[in-house]
Amino acid sequence: NAGVTQTPKFQVLKTGQSMTLQCAQDMNHEYMSWYRQDPGMGLRLIHYSVGAGITDQGEVPNGYNVSRSTTEDFPLRLLSAAPSQTSVYFCASSPPLWTGGVNEQFFGPGTRLTVL
Amino acid sequence: AQSVAQPEDQVNVAEGNPLTVKCTYSVSGNPYLFWYVQYPNRGLQFLLKYITGDNLVKGSYGFEAEFNKSQTSFHLKKPSALVSDSALYFCAVRFREGNNRLAFGKGNQVVVIP
Repeated sequence: NAGVTQTPKFQVLKTGQSMTLQCAQDMNHEYMSWYRQDPGMGLRLIHYSVGAGITDQGEVPNGYNVSRSTTEDFPLRLLSAAPSQTSVYFCASSPPLWTGGVNEQFFGPGTRLTVL
Repeated sequence: AQSVAQPEDQVNVAEGNPLTVKCTYSVSGNPYLFWYVQYPNRGLQFLLKYITGDNLVKGSYGFEAEFNKSQTSFHLKKPSALVSDSALYFCAVRFREGNNRLAFGKGNQVVVIP
């Protein structure tokens, strides 16, 4: 298994540009989420999904859109990039909720985004 | 609301000495608690979790964590630190709604001095 993959690894945007950060997992995980990591602030949840066709907002959703058309993919869209969105973005997934238990999340390697 | 606090920004420890990284939590009801580690330019890796049962939880790479309900703490420990343990450590608590959302602390930088 490749686990959780993210593309691109690095990206530089100009203010106002849009782009999509890609996230895919090959573990048949229902739950997927997007976080941003900023120094001294830990990880903050942007959006999450509990299954295909279902998404919801996290702590800091403004300026970002998501969709979940398949179990495997969970892209994050920046509609009009702003310097405040300069951050490292992580995608994570975890096993199906119907299996019960309390499962840990598996993280991708991250995308480092700079908005000028 | 569920939250965790990691009171120290950086923990410095000499190689071979015990390592402790502190975490306190605030949840309603019984908590589900996690520790993750992040090495430079990498994603987070799961270390261990507390769900129920024994207060001492053992995890990867020789780490363990002690759950203390009366002090609402979940400190990460390692008896003998290695230089390779130098990394960023995050404590997290899972929300209770059943959708697997996590709330993370701000992280602790651990520096193990040779």
